[in-house]
Amino acid sequence: DAKTTQPNSMESNEEEPVHLPCNHSTISGTDYIHWYRQLPSQGPEYVIHGLTSNVNNRMASLAIAEDRKSSTLILHRATLRDAAVYYCIRPNFGNEKLTFGTGTRLTIIP
Amino acid sequence: DAGITQSPRYKITETGRQVTLMCHQTWSHSYMFWYRQDLGHGLRLIYYSAAADITDKGEVPDGYVVSRSKTENFPLTLESATRSQTSVYFCASSGTAYEQYFGPGTRLTVT
Repeated sequence: DAKTTQPNSMESNEEEPVHLPCNHSTISGTDYIHWYRQLPSQGPEYVIHGLTSNVNNRMASLAIAEDRKSSTLILHRATLRDAAVYYCIRPNFGNEKLTFGTGTRLTIIP
Repeated sequence: DAGITQSPRYKITETGRQVTLMCHQTWSHSYMFWYRQDLGHGLRLIYYSAAADITDKGEVPDGYVVSRSKTENFPLTLESATRSQTSVYFCASSGTAYEQYFGPGTRLTVT
């Protein structure tokens, strides 16, 4: 089962940090965690991925629990352009086959 | 321009007709993917390709055919369109399978 569990929706104030949680309790030891986001009327956009260690890039940080059963995507300073659906994804039989769930709809409050 | 493009962007077709959605990428990425997204659902993988002439089924392949004779192109054909195939179709490509880059999507309506 390649399912992850995310809250359906979250709200955050502009210019504040956002922590988006994800549970993936059945993940295997070699599966990466991937995060994508989808802005309104656009295709999904890659955000970040990681295996065990915390990861940072220009868009976000990914904090992975030590037991790898959960992870948190961190947007350090939310802007209105960060309003999107965020997908936490684990692979389905290989890192190239991703199963997108329904994600978390993030609303940014000005 | 470099990147990934899809055509047409919008298509209306009738039940039973054959329709082909085109996907073209200029990065020479090995991997290419087709997804569909229905209202209230996340994206579901239809087919993917790891290289030219190599394709494999995803989660929802029934009713679809793909081919990949050239690295840069990955067309998706609905051989006999049904109303249940009304959806938004996204193509993606990736050089490593860890970062997929998505096209703008094709909105297909089957009447």
